[in-house]
Amino acid sequence: QKEVEQDPGPLSVPEGAIVSLNCTYSNSAFQYFMWYRQYSRKGPELLMYTYSSGNKEDGRFTAQVDKSSKYISLFIRDSQPSDSATYLCAMIGGAQKLVFGQGTRLTINP
Amino acid sequence: GAGVSQSPSNKVTEKGKDVELRCDPISGHTALYWYRQRLGQGLEFLIYFQGNSAPDKSGLPSDRFSAERTGESVSTLTIQRTQQEDSAVYLCASSLSLVDEKLFFGSGTQLSVL
Repeated sequence: QKEVEQDPGPLSVPEGAIVSLNCTYSNSAFQYFMWYRQYSRKGPELLMYTYSSGNKEDGRFTAQVDKSSKYISLFIRDSQPSDSATYLCAMIGGAQKLVFGQGTRLTINP
Repeated sequence: GAGVSQSPSNKVTEKGKDVELRCDPISGHTALYWYRQRLGQGLEFLIYFQGNSAPDKSGLPSDRFSAERTGESVSTLTIQRTQQEDSAVYLCASSLSLVDEKLFFGSGTQLSVL
């Protein structure tokens, strides 16, 4: 079993829809949770960063962490074609090594 | 520089040849990381540096892979006797320190082994 599981998609939704991206994990040592966005032929860029359970909002993006269920989510409201990218969840614990999910390829259709 | 710089951006090589990939981290970042991303896959951790030291090399896929960092700056990932399964994007990232979890990535080197 992988430490971090993420549905690779692809996921295709119409412009303006609410998008939900999810990851589950098995290692209870993970304390910091991140979402990276990766455009084609580019390196990942940090989108959201959370530490504790609960919600964190930044504009149209909301990151949610449920440590009891070992489940994290990223919600995108009012999705735009420019949000089309691969979204990778990532998490880190005591080993000081960032572990990534497989990435979900998202397409927003105008 | 303003961001993490990697070169070359693309490298095509023949099976059995050696390749050298270069990473220039953000100035002042002491931690540097190498990841591999196969087509349609997530990021596979290879090695990290704190300063010029690499405490854990267990992520390197085989002894054909090696990495070094000098001057707490530039890092080089070397793959000897390349194989077709080495074809991937090799990504470098840096952070202020090991305890800073926010990584900044370069655009990667696309390696194709024919």
